[in-house]
Amino acid sequence: SSELTQDPAVSVALGQTVRITCQGASLRSYYASWHRQKPGQAPVVIIYGKNNRPSGIPDRFSGSRSGNTASLTITGAQAEDEADYYCNSRESSGAVVFGGGTKLTVL
Amino acid sequence: QVQLQESGPGLVKPSQTLSLTCTVSGGSVSSGDFSWSWIRQHPGQGLEWIGHIYYSGTTYFNPSLKSRLIISVDTSKNQLTLKLNSVTAADTAVYYCARSVEGYTYAWGHWGQGTLVTVSS
Repeated sequence: SSELTQDPAVSVALGQTVRITCQGASLRSYYASWHRQKPGQAPVVIIYGKNNRPSGIPDRFSGSRSGNTASLTITGAQAEDEADYYCNSRESSGAVVFGGGTKLTVL
Repeated sequence: QVQLQESGPGLVKPSQTLSLTCTVSGGSVSSGDFSWSWIRQHPGQGLEWIGHIYYSGTTYFNPSLKSRLIISVDTSKNQLTLKLNSVTAADTAVYYCARSVEGYTYAWGHWGQGTLVTVSS
């Protein structure tokens, strides 16, 4: 099966913009979804499909894709955005693969 | 508002079968607009997709778990079930059930709180 690669840790200054990336061969064909997970909590979907945000997710979150890389961009990071972020995508078989996760620190 | 709640033994012995139930309220497992998934998280690690099922009964499984795995739905009880046999310590994890975003299988809009299953003698 294919893999999705994420940077283990990323930091951003409060109010600045940060991009969290996810790389993998499946992303050339399929969009990534992004989920945020805070300690002790279940994940929450942030972005899915081309760039869809569920209701309740602020518009400072956006998703994009270029080649084999998907990106989650947070424009104007807030303290409450500090969390682990996971990308996932599908494979041609219909299986799902997750990235290893990125721990975002807001300074 | 749909809610999902996992239940099952918190401790399973090696080589035995891990069985979990996800009870759904506020929504129907028979809905054709959603798929239902099991996802796990080993302690201190990332998310791992286990598998998902559509209302039709069609299932997709993680290839690394497929030979040990059964996922099913019980429409009469509005429940999702997971059975993983021949467990080892490597199956110790928090197990989540989740419902997909409407019309999109590969993102999950509703999750259970998760249940920790420890495999140990």
